[in-house]
Amino acid sequence: QSALTQPASVSGSPAQSITISCTGTSDDVGTDNLVSWYQQYPGTAPKLIIYDTNKRPSGISDRFSGSKSGNTASLTISGLRAEDEADYFCCSYVDMTTVLFGGGTKLTVL
Amino acid sequence: QLHLQESGPRLVKPSETLSLICTVSGVSISDSTYYWSWIRRAPGKGLEWIGSMFYSGTTYYSSSLRSRVTISLDTSKNQFSLSLTSATPADTAVYYCARETRAYFYDNNDHKVGYNRFDPWGQGALVTVSS
Repeated sequence: QSALTQPASVSGSPAQSITISCTGTSDDVGTDNLVSWYQQYPGTAPKLIIYDTNKRPSGISDRFSGSKSGNTASLTISGLRAEDEADYFCCSYVDMTTVLFGGGTKLTVL
Repeated sequence: QLHLQESGPRLVKPSETLSLICTVSGVSISDSTYYWSWIRRAPGKGLEWIGSMFYSGTTYYSSSLRSRVTISLDTSKNQFSLSLTSATPADTAVYYCARETRAYFYDNNDHKVGYNRFDPWGQGALVTVSS
């Protein structure tokens, strides 16, 4: 199976909201299985920011939210801040032998 | 506090075996709740799941790497390792180890719902495959 499709880049101004899409197929994102999202700053490890499609780990700002509809999952960041500038990856659990990541989206805060 | 740290050779010659160790502190890798996983990110590319291992020894590998990958646990040292044989320049990447939660449940409509998450991750180890 192929990697999930994310826009290579998105941008927004401070205080705005942006949404990053993650498109798969009816065999992965489009199933009942849940999706997770990761934030990665250059030179650092990825960090879990959304799990089970729409849940936030402890310590993650409620400005981050996740959803899924059909074959597309989405990450929305509201009240954009300069510190949100990073790479974002979606991840779809398919089955015990298949875990798919998106190609990643670079978020630029203008 | 849970911490993962990758270690191993950073330069591997083509056709040789890429080997990394992940040392875990703060929790026992024999904990039956979690899987222990490897993920990589090649330069300019996205993340790629390599494989995961349960404390019992059960392993799951990416279909694209299955013929070359082995993940194993050393519970006495609280470490798990990655071995990737017949390395090529295409295997040049930052390799991350991570703790993985994966399971499934049945929802209100009796549909099987699977899920996973990687948390936390190690800081990563850049491994270059070059002669």
